[in-house]
Amino acid sequence: QVQLVQSGAEVKKPGASVKVSCKASGYTLTSYFIHWVRQAPGQGLEWMGIINPGTGSTSYAQNFQGRVTMTRDTSTSTVYMELSSLRSEDTAVYYCARDITGFDYWGQGTLVTVSS
Amino acid sequence: IQLTQSPSSLSASVGDRVTITCRASQGISTYLAWYQQKSGKAPKLLMYAASTLQSGVPSRFSGSGSGTDFTLTISSLQPEDFATYYCQQLNSYPRTFGQGTKVEIK
Repeated sequence: QVQLVQSGAEVKKPGASVKVSCKASGYTLTSYFIHWVRQAPGQGLEWMGIINPGTGSTSYAQNFQGRVTMTRDTSTSTVYMELSSLRSEDTAVYYCARDITGFDYWGQGTLVTVSS
Repeated sequence: IQLTQSPSSLSASVGDRVTITCRASQGISTYLAWYQQKSGKAPKLLMYAASTLQSGVPSRFSGSGSGTDFTLTISSLQPEDFATYYCQQLNSYPRTFGQGTKVEIK
């Protein structure tokens, strides 16, 4: 069965970076794009960007340009999202999601807390 | 592309018919998806291509619309349907979401 399993919760200080992983199983990673979406506490869903695991090409939301990097390791069927220069407003649950016609499978979410 | 959902929240009873609307700031053909999110959980895909039911989703859910105006209808609200619903456009990047509609128990 298709699964996206994300890494565990993180606590970071302002200015630091965080790298969240998303390990795919039950299908071939390179067959579908992966998106990253975040959700601040009590807020809605915010699209961050997309990675094509087959080629490594990426596209990022303007809000995150220069701070976010999405990569993949096809040998482990894992994609990564790294966000740098963290600030308190980056406290959120970060999700990876597979894209077919809509985001049909999601990871369980990774809570990133930014606090001094 | 901005998506505006209405209402932002609603109260309804089990068995009620519920309709949520999503308006796009420009035409997106039928490149629209709907998601259900329960507290503390990842969103779940309900509908794609505006009106195509995702596998395993109950038939009481239906979607319609094209261009700029879309609706999600729950024909007979069930206890497990109390959640927040989001629309998302799949026409272009960034893949924007509506602000959400919270469906609460009356």
